[in-house]
Amino acid sequence: SQQGEEDPQALSIQEGENATMNCSYKTSINNLQWYRQNSGRGLVHLILIRSNEREKHSGRLRVTLDTSKKSSSLLITASRAADTASYFCATDFNKFYFGSGTKLNVKP
Amino acid sequence: DGGITQSPKYLFRKEGQNVTLSCEQNLNHDAMYWYRQDPGQGLRLIYYSQIVNDFQKGDIAEGYSVSREKKESFPLTVTSAQKNPTAFYLCATSGQGGHFSNQPQHFGDGTRLSIL
Repeated sequence: SQQGEEDPQALSIQEGENATMNCSYKTSINNLQWYRQNSGRGLVHLILIRSNEREKHSGRLRVTLDTSKKSSSLLITASRAADTASYFCATDFNKFYFGSGTKLNVKP
Repeated sequence: DGGITQSPKYLFRKEGQNVTLSCEQNLNHDAMYWYRQDPGQGLRLIYYSQIVNDFQKGDIAEGYSVSREKKESFPLTVTSAQKNPTAFYLCATSGQGGHFSNQPQHFGDGTRLSIL
């Protein structure tokens, strides 16, 4: 399977702390995307990083990509209770493949 | 407002019944997708369409059918052949370049299907 796999499956932190989620995949990719899903809702696109990029920032989000290790990480700095959601990475190789997600709980 | 509208939000299917999930978009996007999400799982691709009157099977198309008669609409029918239809169904679109290009996907808020 070329599916991205997130790690950890669940993460619980206090408000204000940083949250780091990892994604590993198996084959070459054109780009990797991160999405957020609030409970019972659709996914919301957060950030796209191309295979020739190593790091990308968007507000409190920082994404890194290591194509040699076939892995990516999503860092959320100064987390807020509103960041509580599931986070998915999606890789593309002919088709889009979503991992099973990291469930983040930010306690106020 | 621009966006993707999925209806209904909740749907119940009786044994042997076909049901149709609606997905409408006003984003003027070429590509549309249907995904299935089971509890605690990622998304699995059912069908996708890059252009009107054309669609392709995804990874789990058996027991499902779609049509793409208009750019704005991509309805999904869950047939009686789908023996385990209980899941959360998500419709998505992507813009110019479509089909798994380097464009983000935009999602509706899903339809939750259950068996009676």
